[in-house]
Amino acid sequence: KQEVTQIPAALSVPEGENLVLNCSFTDSAIYNLQWFRQDPGKGLTSLLLIQSSQREQTSGRLNASLDKSSGRSTLYIAASQPGDSATYLCAVMAGSEKLVFGKGTKLTVNP
Amino acid sequence: DTAVSQTPKYLVTQMGNDKSIKCEQNLGHDTMYWYKQDSKKFLKIMFSYNNKELIINETVPNRFSPKSPDKAHLNLHINSLELGDSAVYFCASSLYRGDTEAFFGQGTRLTVV
Repeated sequence: KQEVTQIPAALSVPEGENLVLNCSFTDSAIYNLQWFRQDPGKGLTSLLLIQSSQREQTSGRLNASLDKSSGRSTLYIAASQPGDSATYLCAVMAGSEKLVFGKGTKLTVNP
Repeated sequence: DTAVSQTPKYLVTQMGNDKSIKCEQNLGHDTMYWYKQDSKKFLKIMFSYNNKELIINETVPNRFSPKSPDKAHLNLHINSLELGDSAVYFCASSLYRGDTEAFFGQGTRLTVV
């Protein structure tokens, strides 16, 4: 049974800091891994999708890496801004054809 | 243009009532999903449909019945609502089964009193 763990559960940083969010999964047989952002009371916004054959994806200040063999992914946020404050969710799509989510990392970027 | 839209956004109802949540996607995707986010913010799949065909039913009580009249719509009907059904329900879609990006709606916050 696939399980996804995100560490830390919460993170508070000053504006401008570079930071890393971690995601680990128990079964390396995945189709892809997706990072989402969720703002309070809002839906999920897809940030980055990494296919199983890829090692990383970049979008603006965000960079996500995938190491399938070790069951790990990281989301790197450069030069963090207060507007980056949100909950970041990691999810993997496996043979069961459903996204299995972690519990998220709540990020607060302080001005 | 909203890619995946759900209605209503908020739903407050009494125990025992029957309610429906509607979802529509204008992305031309084949696959649609319902996910439930509980009070601890944990997201878990409920159902998946591909081209109107049920693919995944994740041990959800029979009181929950999804219906897909066409591949752009996936509605969720809930009978005899219970307090424990209070949650945020998210609809999502992806181009096809498995290996593609999922897009989520804004969620429906259901409160059962």
